[in-house]
Amino acid sequence: GDSVTQMEGPVTLSEEAFLTINCTYTATGYPSLFWYVQYPGEGLQLLLKATKADDKGSNKGFEATYRKETTSFHLEKGSVQVSDSAVYFCALRSSSNTGKLIFGQGTTLQVKP
Amino acid sequence: GAGVSQSPSNKVTEKGKDVELRCDPISGHTALYWYRQSLGQGLEFLIYFQGNSAPDKSGLPSDRFSAERTGGSVSTLTIQRTQQEDSAVYLCASSQGQGGEKLFFGSGTQLSVL
Repeated sequence: GDSVTQMEGPVTLSEEAFLTINCTYTATGYPSLFWYVQYPGEGLQLLLKATKADDKGSNKGFEATYRKETTSFHLEKGSVQVSDSAVYFCALRSSSNTGKLIFGQGTTLQVKP
Repeated sequence: GAGVSQSPSNKVTEKGKDVELRCDPISGHTALYWYRQSLGQGLEFLIYFQGNSAPDKSGLPSDRFSAERTGGSVSTLTIQRTQQEDSAVYLCASSQGQGGEKLFFGSGTQLSVL
């Protein structure tokens, strides 16, 4: 079945460091890919998305490129801030099933000043 | 309301009791999802409603779990004969349809089974 695998956390970085959170997926058809973020004490919210191969999603300085050849959707940010500390979830929606959204296990990011 | 509303926010119950969790989606949203988030775990898909289509129940962990959505709006997740391993945060989300649009999540119901 469809699945999403994320790198294990927690990821701890100093402010202004470069961030990469790896995400790979298994799916039939041509899925849409998403990154959701959960800030402390808040609900999940969409960070960015890409709906077809080679698309780049971007928001708040974060980027992720849909790589069909490597079935990946890695999240990157050039310079993290303390306020980026949160749990990040990679997710997919396969085009061949009912349309449900499947999430990865989440990666906790801690940014220290 | 302005967002997805879930109630109760916290529920403590005894093992073996039944519980009902409620979700009020954003008005006009045709898709509704239930997920479970256990401590240290990711988001586990439970069930998905889309318009008048038959729900996708493929994520329900056992026949003790069921959900319904009345009138295409409010949804209730029912857990019968609760077990300690059912303890988790149950999240509801809604969206306008399917095909790449974003989900809006509620704050969740923290269920504790003693």
